[in-house]
Amino acid sequence: EVQLVESGGGLVQPGRSLRLSCAASGFTFDDFALHWVRQAPGKGLEWVSGINWNGGSTGYADSVKGRFTISRDNAKNSLYLQMNSLRTEDTALYYCAKAGPSFWSGYTDWGQGTLVTVSS
Amino acid sequence: DIQMTQSPSSLSASVGDRVTITCRANQGISNYLAWYQQKPGKVPKLLIYAASTLQSGVPSRFSGSGSGTDFTLTISSLQPEDVATYYCQKYNNAPTFGPGTKVDIK
Repeated sequence: EVQLVESGGGLVQPGRSLRLSCAASGFTFDDFALHWVRQAPGKGLEWVSGINWNGGSTGYADSVKGRFTISRDNAKNSLYLQMNSLRTEDTALYYCAKAGPSFWSGYTDWGQGTLVTVSS
Repeated sequence: DIQMTQSPSSLSASVGDRVTITCRANQGISNYLAWYQQKPGKVPKLLIYAASTLQSGVPSRFSGSGSGTDFTLTISSLQPEDVATYYCQKYNNAPTFGPGTKVDIK
């Protein structure tokens, strides 16, 4: 059974940093691309960032480009999102999602999410 | 940037009704389109990918069609457990979700 468990969320002041982690199990981790998707309270889904199987290719939404960095450690079956210069509009539930067989695929499995609140 | 729209934004239908949700891209996206179901308080679930391929384990009352700019998600016979918000997503090159369609039971 695929499991994706996010951690690292919390309350942070604007301008500060936070690092999210996603621990994966139940599948061959380095066979799949992974993505971060967020959902602001009461709002829709927003793709944040994605990374291919070996970290050699990444993508970012315009809203986070230059501030967020996605990475993965295949030896630890873990995905990360380093979030710098946080803004109040970054407040959301952040999901880790496993892609299908290619980098650009639907997201077959999702974690439960970790809540990031940016507020002074 | 490619924008995704959905219509309607919400609908209310009776159990057993056929329900259709439309998703439109402002540029052609071939068939790089997925549909997700998100029940209240739950994690999104992939229903359909490649515009019309049913994800394993998804009931056959769900179907998808379309290519290019216009896509539809159809629930052939609405069930109480289908109450949810449905999102389309173009998933190639800067993935983008549609704004969602909330489905309720009348």
